[in-house]
Amino acid sequence: QKEVEQDPGPLSVPEGAIVSLNCTYSNSAFQYFMWYRQYSRKGPELLMYTYSSGNKEDGRFTAQVDKSSKYISLFIRDSQPSDSATYLCAIYTGNQFYFGTGTSLTVIP
Amino acid sequence: NAGVTQTPKFRILKIGQSMTLQCTQDMNHNYMYWYRQDPGMGLKLIYYSVGAGITDKGEVPNGYNVSRSTTEDFPLRLELAAPSQTSVYFCATTIDTYEQYFGPGTRLTVT
Repeated sequence: QKEVEQDPGPLSVPEGAIVSLNCTYSNSAFQYFMWYRQYSRKGPELLMYTYSSGNKEDGRFTAQVDKSSKYISLFIRDSQPSDSATYLCAIYTGNQFYFGTGTSLTVIP
Repeated sequence: NAGVTQTPKFRILKIGQSMTLQCTQDMNHNYMYWYRQDPGMGLKLIYYSVGAGITDKGEVPNGYNVSRSTTEDFPLRLELAAPSQTSVYFCATTIDTYEQYFGPGTRLTVT
């Protein structure tokens, strides 16, 4: 079983829509959960992280962890064309990172 | 600060050739990582290092070697290139926590 699995998409939404990106993970002991954004032909960059469970908000972005169902989500409100990218969820285990396969998002003006 | 730099940006290798992918960071981070990214497959960890002189295997180490003689540099060596090693390679660093900083990547094609 993979440590983390991600809905592959792709997703295409109109500008202003609410976007929901999702991953599941395998080990209930995992504590650190991250979302990375990767623009085409660039390296990933950290967007948000959460520790343990609950929600974390940063502007239009909200990261959510549900430890009971081992589910992590990223919500994007009022999506913009500049949000068009691939979004990767990731888990940090103390010395290694495990990444989801990424969801490609296109926001249409 | 340049952050994480990788060279070369692009490379085409013939089967059986060898090469070294360079990674340098100027953030004085202890932890460094090498990943490969294949289409639709996410990032797979090849090797990582927790400090100078210490390296360890990740998920997909076969066909690769690394060394870490300084804090700044973490080169990745391919000894006998194979078509299965066609990929985009990313180097990343972190000081000791969850926030990784990635380089711009090296696109490698083996034909």
